[in-house]
Amino acid sequence: DQQVKQNSPSLSVQEGRISILNCDYTNSMFDYFLWYKKYPAEGPTFLISISSIKDKNEDGRFTVFLNKSAKHLSLHIVPSQPGDSAVYFCAASSAGGTSYGKLTFGQGTILTVHP
Amino acid sequence: NAGVTQTPKFRILKIGQSMTLQCTQDMNHNYMYWYRQDPGMGLKLIYYSVGAGITDKGEVPNGYNVSRSTTEDFPLRLELAAPSQTSVYFCATGWTGRYTEAFFGQGTRLTVV
Repeated sequence: DQQVKQNSPSLSVQEGRISILNCDYTNSMFDYFLWYKKYPAEGPTFLISISSIKDKNEDGRFTVFLNKSAKHLSLHIVPSQPGDSAVYFCAASSAGGTSYGKLTFGQGTILTVHP
Repeated sequence: NAGVTQTPKFRILKIGQSMTLQCTQDMNHNYMYWYRQDPGMGLKLIYYSVGAGITDKGEVPNGYNVSRSTTEDFPLRLELAAPSQTSVYFCATGWTGRYTEAFFGQGTRLTVV
């Protein structure tokens, strides 16, 4: 039972254009969503997050959008740079109670930005 | 600050052998986690700890054990290695709070043959 899904295994984008990575979730208890970036042979690095009380959060070139009714979130990278080439993981958590920051991850999307 | 340090980085085990994956953090975080990542898959939670002396199972705990005697260290023990445990293992920490993100180590790539 995959509670967090990234249906696109890979995405290829030209440098300077927008990259849009998508993520869907099924568990209505999730109320905190995160994006991680991972380079080969390294651990995931936190990129940006959004809580369910918001529908948008922006940090420089990175913006995350949350559509709670559709249980869908997306990460926009504008403009895309070759250094953004990595695997991007979507993750979700329940912020309260006994969740203790435990994360449920999607399968990841490999982003390749061509010069 | 080193952050989250995992050792070893690589290891090859024979079926039935045992080993301990080490994880230490200098971030003074209460929460610590062990995740595994199989090829083409997301990370899955093996065990987690909310403080020294307190541990609990995650989604895929079978074949593993953990202990947390100090805030800094959270070792993961494999008692009888099986090929299904071939994976990349990530240790992570998180601070106590309503919205908390996890900070990951560089990973241990384990192959069981």
